[in-house]
Amino acid sequence: SQQGEEDPQALSIQEGENATMNCSYKTSINNLQWYRQNSGRGLVHLILIRSNEREKHSGRLRVTLDTSKKSSSLLITASRAADTASYFCATDNNAGNMLTFGGGTRLMVKP
Amino acid sequence: GAGVSQSPSNKVTEKGKDVELRCDPISGHTALYWYRQSLGQGLEFLIYFQGNSAPDKSGLPSDRFSAERTGGSVSTLTIQRTQQEDSAVYLCASSSGLARHNEQFFGPGTRLTVL
Repeated sequence: SQQGEEDPQALSIQEGENATMNCSYKTSINNLQWYRQNSGRGLVHLILIRSNEREKHSGRLRVTLDTSKKSSSLLITASRAADTASYFCATDNNAGNMLTFGGGTRLMVKP
Repeated sequence: GAGVSQSPSNKVTEKGKDVELRCDPISGHTALYWYRQSLGQGLEFLIYFQGNSAPDKSGLPSDRFSAERTGGSVSTLTIQRTQQEDSAVYLCASSSGLARHNEQFFGPGTRLTVL
C-alpha cells in the first residue's frame, strides 16, 4: 500500500499562478521529501522537511508539514511553463530504509 | 561519474524471455534502490542494497525478479520469463546513506516493453 497519496492527481494552471499540491500519509515519519519527474524518467529531489519542522522554503518552493494531520503541501509560486512535470511526495519507512512514494500530481503550466 | 546511469535506456523483449537491467550508482554511494513505475503511476519499491548488508527484497513482486550488487557498486536487476505486466520503467537510485536522512539520486530509467 502507498504511504503517501498526492492530491490533486492532476492540476492545470496558467503561467504566473501559484500551484499547490498536497500529500497525505498514514504512519509516523522521520522526514518527508518532494521529488519532481519530467517525462516519466528519472526523479529529481526538490526538498526535504523533517518531522520536527513545520515549514521550509527553497526558491519558489514552499513546503509545509502537519504531523498531527499527517499531511504536507508543496506550493510553487509564480509558476512557469518549465514547472510542468509530475511531483511526488516520499516518506521514510520506519520498518526499513527505503522511501515510499505516492502516486504523484501531474502539473501542467500553460504559457 | 556525474550521476546515476542505467542501461539500456529502452528494452523491448518477447514474453518468456529473460532481461537484465544495469545500474551504475554515484561513486561512493553506499545505498542503491530499484523501483518500478507503470505508466502514469507512482514508484513501486523493489529492492534496496546498503553497503555489505543483506539486501531488502521485500518489494520484489515475484520470484522471477532478482537483483545483485557486485563489489558494492554496479547493480543488475534480472527478470526471468518476462510477462506483459512487467512492462514499465525501471528506475535505479543511489544515496550516500539512509533514505530517511538523505536525498536519492535517480538514474534516467530503463523503459521495458514486453510484447
